[in-house]
Amino acid sequence: QSVLTQPPSVSAAPGQKVTISCSGSSSNIGKNYVSWYQQLPGTAPKLLIYENNKRPSGIPDRFSGSKSGTSATLGITGLQTGDEADYYCGTWDTSLSAPAVFGGGTQLTVL
Amino acid sequence: EVQLVESGGAVVRPGGSLRLSCAASGFTFDDYGMSWVRQAPGKGLEWVSDTNWNGGSTGYADSVKGRFTISRDNAKNSLFLQMNSLRAEDTALYHCARRKLEVVYGSASYYFDYWGQGTLVTVSS
Repeated sequence: QSVLTQPPSVSAAPGQKVTISCSGSSSNIGKNYVSWYQQLPGTAPKLLIYENNKRPSGIPDRFSGSKSGTSATLGITGLQTGDEADYYCGTWDTSLSAPAVFGGGTQLTVL
Repeated sequence: EVQLVESGGAVVRPGGSLRLSCAASGFTFDDYGMSWVRQAPGKGLEWVSDTNWNGGSTGYADSVKGRFTISRDNAKNSLFLQMNSLRAEDTALYHCARRKLEVVYGSASYYFDYWGQGTLVTVSS
């Protein structure tokens, strides 16, 4: 059972928009910044969003992040078949002895 | 270009030991903290261990505490994970990752900006 809760799967058609939620608590998302990672099949995770809503160099602005209270959301617009991947949220949890936590991951299908 | 290349994964019997390595290039290694993150087959990401820039501060997941030891050799741009008393549940792909940790306006910003492809550890009799 992951500390952060994500839907197991989401789907949408090419060109559409999809959102992926990440729910936590006051000791993690409620207090600290959230990051998001994309893992294409058979590859290493890749940083998409850090500090809730910042994109690293090279990440297109189709990807966006937001946070409100103890939840965070990843948004992807203009969906492409190449966006099919697993997406993970992550943050720091101040109440745990092992402070780095991830969501269970969400599999995105572009229909 | 930042590169992280793991090695050392193998099939090992329960109770056995293994040492993983991660060779870093393309950045000033001792400017960054580093972490190990694992992924069991078909499962999600699990943080395993973390070290600051000089190895003076380390952290471990409860599941590996007392059995795994993280270390680094800044002269050789390398990160290591010594894994002892291995269990079946340690079976996973182990990634090394460059991590950023800052406190911004009282909130922790902790994330992994580069990842290696991973090395597979299988614990089986």
